[in-house]
Formats: sequence, structure tokens, C-alpha cells
Amino acid sequence: DSGVTQTPKHLITATGQRVTLRCSPRSGDLSVYWYQQSLDQGLQFLIQYYNGEERAKGNILERFSAQQFPDLHSELNLSSLELGDSALYFCASSVSGVYQPQHFGDGTRLSIL
Amino acid sequence: GQQVMQIPQYQHVQEGEDFTTYCNSSTTLSNIQWYKQRPGGHPVFLIQLVKSGEVKKQKRLTFQFGEAKKNSSLHITATQTTDVGTYFCAGPNNAGNMLTFGGGTRLMVKP
Repeated sequence: DSGVTQTPKHLITATGQRVTLRCSPRSGDLSVYWYQQSLDQGLQFLIQYYNGEERAKGNILERFSAQQFPDLHSELNLSSLELGDSALYFCASSVSGVYQPQHFGDGTRLSIL
Repeated sequence: GQQVMQIPQYQHVQEGEDFTTYCNSSTTLSNIQWYKQRPGGHPVFLIQLVKSGEVKKQKRLTFQFGEAKKNSSLHITATQTTDVGTYFCAGPNNAGNMLTFGGGTRLMVKP
């Protein structure tokens, strides 16, 4: 158990819809990262938050947005969903930044029909 | 931007054979991290290397960081079926605000 909690585990929705993925980091971790992993692909970095503020952005689409709340949990919002957005979305957390190990949640599997 | 490449992409081995995956960065890295993702699972942190030329061992796994801090390798001696999974290397970008993952090497072990 990594201590990182992601909900929901599975999400099935239709094109054009909007969904919200939730992540609770490990206790004591201030940084939260979001990654996208398509089938048999690598991990694509989306965005990082540190203590409530956005720290880094990767190849995140404009249709996607995220935030980190005062209690440090984070949400990733995906809107105007397309078939190509079907993927596994991982949240990870670390104590502060990228120089510490990242601990991953179990992921949310998003399927767009 | 920074690129982190891993080879091979896939590797089939017979149980008991050795396995090596190689990681190369387009930029010098302050550190390199290795993760393992079992099929159907999430990435799990294995180790971090910081010093030039550093070698670390974890039982049958040996990790090396190159002298120029631009490459790394993971060697598994006498693979077991429990070693099955995808091994990722990852390094911070120059700004230190993003971890770039390699594409991973998927290891399959035939019993």
C-alpha cells in the first residue's frame, strides 16, 4: 500500500462528457503529480502541484485542468472527452519535489465509449 | 526538451537468465530513479542514484549511474517469474520541477 488513494478506480463515460478524478496523497507529502498512461505506453507527465500551487506543467491538454486543495488532496478535471482520452490516470505524491521518490496510487482507468 | 530513452522496449528471457535494461538521457541528470510496474499495477519506486559512477545492489538487482550522469542501467541476475513487469527510469529536468520517465522496458520471463 503506497498510501496514495485514487478514486474512482474505474470510470466509463461517453465522448463530450466531463469527469473528475480524485487523489489523496500520502500523509506528509506536499507534492502531487498527475500522469497519463495509455495502453502499453509510458508515463506522460501532466501536471504537478506543491502545497496548493501549480509547480510544473507537462503535455496537458487545455481540456484538462487540475487543482490542489488546502487539505492537499488533488482533483484532475477532464472535459469534452474524446476517445483518445481513454487511459490509466495515475496520481503520485512526494515529500516535496522531484528529487524525492514518488509514490503512486492504483490509478483511475478511464474508458470513453 | 529533455528526453529519456530506454532500450530494449521488450525483453523475453528464460527463467534463470540475466536481464539488463539501459537508460539514456539527453541531458546530465542530478539523479536517476528506477521504478517497477507489475502487470495491472502501479509504478513502485525501487531506488535512486545520485553520484557519478554510483553502483547500488538490491539482492539480484544491480543499478549503475554513468560517470557522465547521462546514462544508467539495471541488471537482474538469474531472473525469476516475480521479476515480470515494466521497468522505468526517470530523471529530473534541468529546472528541477518535472520528472521525465523513460518509455520503459517490459520484461517477460518464461518459466
